[in-house]
Amino acid sequence: KAGVTQTPRYLIKTRGQQVTLSCSPISGHRSVSWYQQTPGQGLQFLFEYFSETQRNKGNFPGRFSGRQFSNSRSEMNVSTLELGDSALYLCASSLGFQIPDRENTEAFFGQGTRLTVV
Amino acid sequence: AQKITQTQPGMFVQEKEAVTLDCTYDTSDQSYGLFWYKQPSSGEMIFLIYQGSYDEQNATEGRYSLNFQKARKSANLVISASQLGDSAMYFCAMREGPYGNNRLAFGKGNQVVVIP
Repeated sequence: KAGVTQTPRYLIKTRGQQVTLSCSPISGHRSVSWYQQTPGQGLQFLFEYFSETQRNKGNFPGRFSGRQFSNSRSEMNVSTLELGDSALYLCASSLGFQIPDRENTEAFFGQGTRLTVV
Repeated sequence: AQKITQTQPGMFVQEKEAVTLDCTYDTSDQSYGLFWYKQPSSGEMIFLIYQGSYDEQNATEGRYSLNFQKARKSANLVISASQLGDSAMYFCAMREGPYGNNRLAFGKGNQVVVIP
């Protein structure tokens, strides 16, 4: 089955602009989480969406937002870009719920979108 | 407070040898999950292995095994018979709370370089 697909792979934006990143999870997965990875801060959790509802949120400013569609595809938006937003943005796909007699062990990542803000 | 600690500096490993990557975690939850991921220079995060807090046996996936010591709060990854393609960053991560929650806390990672 197809893996997690993130588009675009690379982006260059100017300070003050906004950007939208997309993530298509594995078929059947209903949870999509977003992470920001920078050399200084490492991997940081942004938010998680499950069945079109935000279920968890990390400590990021309101400029970072997201949504999830009925087909589980998710988008992340960053408004008023700052230089510090330059990072690799990764999304993770999982079932999002516990299957009886089996733990939710799946959390698969896409290849990421590398955003550069100039 | 740091939830996942990976303190080893970059490691050089001889091909075909085993390597152990240390990971300690901090949680007050009874139910949690521990993950290891590999990130090559291309950037994608590759899922390697999972250990649930209630699992009594250590998880194994091919050449990867997880040495889970619950009382010590450690979840070390062992890679047996290292291959050149194992050169990458390795991240330990933890999911706290009920199953289904997909919020992971990551460590800073371990750099591994496999030399022929």
